[in-house]
Amino acid sequence: TQLLEQSPQFLSIQEGENLTVYCNSSSVFSSLQWYRQEPGEGPVLLVTVVTGGEVKKLKRLTFQFGDARKDSSLHITAAQPGDTGLYLCAGVYAGNNRKLIWGLGTSLAVNP
Amino acid sequence: KAGVTQTPRYLIKTRGQQVTLSCSPISGHRSVSWYQQTPGQGLQFLFEYFSETQRNKGNFPGRFSGRQFSNSRSEMNVSTLELGDSALYLCASSLGTQGPEAFFGQGTRLTVV
Repeated sequence: TQLLEQSPQFLSIQEGENLTVYCNSSSVFSSLQWYRQEPGEGPVLLVTVVTGGEVKKLKRLTFQFGDARKDSSLHITAAQPGDTGLYLCAGVYAGNNRKLIWGLGTSLAVNP
Repeated sequence: KAGVTQTPRYLIKTRGQQVTLSCSPISGHRSVSWYQQTPGQGLQFLFEYFSETQRNKGNFPGRFSGRQFSNSRSEMNVSTLELGDSALYLCASSLGTQGPEAFFGQGTRLTVV
């Protein structure tokens, strides 16, 4: 059962453009994480958000956690080819014994 | 500080065989989780071990099993391989006592022919 929905599934943009990807659920998260995965490698943790309405910035990446803690977004400003990869969100639902639930990811290609 | 190490990186097996994958977590991490990743299904949780005990389990058949040793190293075994078991198998380590943040290895690419 897929509990986390990520959109869009695929995104191909030109270098310098801005983009936003989304992670949505009908249930409340106790925490949510974003990862980036490059081909042939394991996912790498980018950020963890815990508080509703929280905004975190990591250079050109801005992560936002929804007020109700049911959704999150990742915004990339002035995308670069090095941003290419699979962006995954993973959440922990309150009371599910810390098990991470994963979205299917957004595959981003930034063309030079 | 060394990262998570998975061996082997690549493996080709035939149907019906069995396979054992290994994962060495980050030093000091006591939790090891295993995932299967395929293009259509994404990351599917197999199981988590913490201090040599299975703490969480996903919805995979009994052909998939694992264990953890006293030094926190973990192995995953798949018996009677099927074509559909072809996937990237990822191991993630964490402290296991604080947040769920996971640190992944590079994975083992298993191909069943």
